[in-house]
Amino acid sequence: RKEVEQDPGPFNVPEGATVAFNCTYSNSASQSFFWYRQDCRKEPKLLMSVYSSGNEDGRFTAQLNRASQYISLLIRDSKLSDSATYLCVVNSRANDYKLSFGAGTTVTVRA
Amino acid sequence: NAGVTQTPKFQVLKTGQSMTLQCAQDMNHEYMSWYRQDPGMGLRLIHYSVGAGITDQGEVPNGYNVSRSTTEDFPLRLLSAAPSQTSVYFCASSYSMGNSNYEQYFGPGTRLTVT
Repeated sequence: RKEVEQDPGPFNVPEGATVAFNCTYSNSASQSFFWYRQDCRKEPKLLMSVYSSGNEDGRFTAQLNRASQYISLLIRDSKLSDSATYLCVVNSRANDYKLSFGAGTTVTVRA
Repeated sequence: NAGVTQTPKFQVLKTGQSMTLQCAQDMNHEYMSWYRQDPGMGLRLIHYSVGAGITDQGEVPNGYNVSRSTTEDFPLRLLSAAPSQTSVYFCASSYSMGNSNYEQYFGPGTRLTVT
């Protein structure tokens, strides 16, 4: 079983729509969680960290559900510029700094 | 700051050839790592370093060597290229290994094709 699993999508949404997707992780001892954004043929960049209480950054909201071992990302009022692949990243081992990456969820926002 | 730089951007090798992918960062980060990214798979850790002179293996180290003689540079060497090493390679660095700070800064990647 992969340590981090994501629905690859693609999620095709019109501008202004809300889109949400999840990521599941297998190790209940995982400590830290992140969403990275990767544009086509570019390097990944940190979008946001995911905190236990949930957190927002503008139009982006991240949630953590430890009981069911998943994190989610919600994008409100989608913009064309939100089209990208979103990578779920988990520190999968307690006290270990190595990260596990999901394969990504592709979002395409259309005009 | 240039951030994390990688060279070359593209490379084509024949099976059996060796080469070195270069990575440098100017942020004085202690932690550096090499990943490969293949279609349908997440980034997989090849090797990493927690400081100059210290390296360790990641998830998929076979066929690759690394060294870290300075804080800034972390080259990845392919010993004898194989078609299975066709991939996109990313170098990354971060401030620390602490539980609260894992943000990794990635270089632009090297697209390698082995024929």
